[in-house]
Amino acid sequence: AQSVTQPDIHITVSEGASLELRCNYSYGATPYLFWYVQSPGQGLQLLLKYFSGDTLVQGIKGFEAEFKRSQSSFNLRKPSVHWSDAAEYFCAVEDRGSTLGRLYFGRGTQLTVWP
Amino acid sequence: EPEVTQTPSHQVTQMGQEVILRCVPISNHLYFYWYRQILGQKVEFLVSFYNNEISEKSEIFDDQFSVERPDGSNFTLKIRSTKLEDSAMYFCASTKGVSGGSSYEQYFGPGTRLTVT
Repeated sequence: AQSVTQPDIHITVSEGASLELRCNYSYGATPYLFWYVQSPGQGLQLLLKYFSGDTLVQGIKGFEAEFKRSQSSFNLRKPSVHWSDAAEYFCAVEDRGSTLGRLYFGRGTQLTVWP
Repeated sequence: EPEVTQTPSHQVTQMGQEVILRCVPISNHLYFYWYRQILGQKVEFLVSFYNNEISEKSEIFDDQFSVERPDGSNFTLKIRSTKLEDSAMYFCASTKGVSGGSSYEQYFGPGTRLTVT
């Protein structure tokens, strides 16, 4: 069965530091993978997605993620974090066998940014 | 930029009462979804909807739940007789593209926090 694991519930970094949020998935075929961000009072916003091709994916707000099939991972990275990046981040995998693209989410990682 | 909206932002109800959560998807989208997140747990899929029919539902989506597109703009989730365990954040989402396409994205609303007492 499909599943997503985000091992870090809460991460704290200083502004300007680099960031890596971990995501591991379980899926029987080539996955479609997503990272979403949720700021307080806002909906889930798509940061980036991977369907196929280049395993390094660029997203919005300076984020990137790398798909590593051998490690079943899709980690999110940013070279220099800004205070406005403080939010909750969700990794998701799509069930490609579902009719309309059902998503399976991880529990989320809460990011705190220190000034 | 168009966005998915949801009302109310917070709903408190007593156990056994019916609630209707409302969503206005993005206007040219054709596919609609409900997800929920119980506090401290994962965001879970409830149901997908297309062409006025349920496309897929999860094991959570039992007979107490129903969805409807009553007009050209709203998409609702009804819980007939709420239970304490229905307390959660409910997210509506919509998309226009087919999965895997370059434009494919599920756009999410800000959620409705449902508290059942």
